[in-house]
Amino acid sequence: DGGITQSPKYLFRKEGQNVTLSCEQNLNHDAMYWYRQDPGQGLRLIYYSQIVNDFQKGDIAEGYSVSREKKESFPLTVTSAQKNPTAFYLCATADSYNSPLHFGNGTRLTVT
Amino acid sequence: EDKVVQSPLSLVVHEGDTVTLNCSYEVTNFRSLLWYKQEKKAPTFLFMLTSSGIEKKSGRLSSILDKKELFSILNITATQTGDSAVYLCAVKPGTYKYIFGTGTRLKVLA
Repeated sequence: DGGITQSPKYLFRKEGQNVTLSCEQNLNHDAMYWYRQDPGQGLRLIYYSQIVNDFQKGDIAEGYSVSREKKESFPLTVTSAQKNPTAFYLCATADSYNSPLHFGNGTRLTVT
Repeated sequence: EDKVVQSPLSLVVHEGDTVTLNCSYEVTNFRSLLWYKQEKKAPTFLFMLTSSGIEKKSGRLSSILDKKELFSILNITATQTGDSAVYLCAVKPGTYKYIFGTGTRLKVLA
């Protein structure tokens, strides 16, 4: 069954802790993206990767890090430097330069 | 700065009504405009528009793009409660980035 798998669905962490969100895809898409969604603010781009071992910062990359060691995987680490990490995080993929984004089901992160 | 603006921010209608959602944009080197429907979690793809004046239809939903005036509309006819969702508009400029608007929250009452 082809798709994008994000895990976990819900994640709780204490302030000062780093946490890693998983995104795996078996669609064989080249490009992968991380977006953050807050109420009333739409989707904001954190990082994206066009190919393995390469990634670019999006509009709100501060306090986040990523890696792209395999085509199928694009994990996002939320570091303690991110001042307001509580949000809904969406991973997406695209198979070519001008194709629609396909989204995973998201991870809701709550930091207390 | 590239930007996408959607209106209205929210809308409440009754079943059977027709609604029109708006998306205007300012981007460099426009490539395409996309519409998504988001219920509880993952946005699902509705339409991708690249050419002006060509309507795309899927059932009760339709969309059209005006590249001269830099906007698109999404129409939903004979609305149903299952149409209740946030509708997102995104624009792809000449890069790998997709720029999203804040969305329109539609609620359809029975």
